Amino acid sequence: QKEVEQNSGPLSVPEGAIASLNCTYSDRGSQSFFWYRQYSGKSPELIMSIYSNGDKEDGRFTAQLNKASQYVSLLIRDSQPSDSATYLCAVTQGAQKLVFGQGTRLTINP
Amino acid sequence: SQTIHQWPATLVQPVGSPLSLECTVEGTSNPNLYWYRQAAGRGLQLLFYSVGIGQISSEVPQNLSASRPQDRQFILSSKKLLLSDSGFYLCAWLTGGNGYTFGSGTRLTVV
Repeated sequence: QKEVEQNSGPLSVPEGAIASLNCTYSDRGSQSFFWYRQYSGKSPELIMSIYSNGDKEDGRFTAQLNKASQYVSLLIRDSQPSDSATYLCAVTQGAQKLVFGQGTRLTINP
Repeated sequence: SQTIHQWPATLVQPVGSPLSLECTVEGTSNPNLYWYRQAAGRGLQLLFYSVGIGQISSEVPQNLSASRPQDRQFILSSKKLLLSDSGFYLCAWLTGGNGYTFGSGTRLTVV
């Protein structure tokens, strides 16, 4: 079993709709969870972090964490063409490392 | 301000040639530093990380090595490149409890 799993996609969503990205992880000791956005040919950039169960909202983005189910999700409301990118889920392993999923490619269709 | 620099941006090297990629950070001291590789269409694979000068942890056995000669400098090296070393190499530093900040990356093509 992979340590962090994501559906590789591609996920296609019409403009203005809600995009839902999912991630599961295997290490129950993980404490911090992150979502990165990566445009083609560019390095990842952090868009959301979440540390406790529940929802965390930042603008059009909402991260959801359920530690009992070992599940993290990212919702993007009012999706825009500029949201088209690969989204990487990352989970802490110990105190010093992040483990990344393989990423979900998201395409927003105008 | 805190920044991370990585160079070169692109590199084309023949099989069997040596490699040296450099990463430096500014605006912080004693950072945790990381080298990741991303193969085409794949996720990020942790190669090495360092918590201080001269301290290197290797995650994946391979023909690459890393060194940290100065507090804010992290170098990725190889004596002889393989075709399978091609990929997008990313340096990152741990920004407290807020995950990593990545450098702009080096796209390496081994031919």
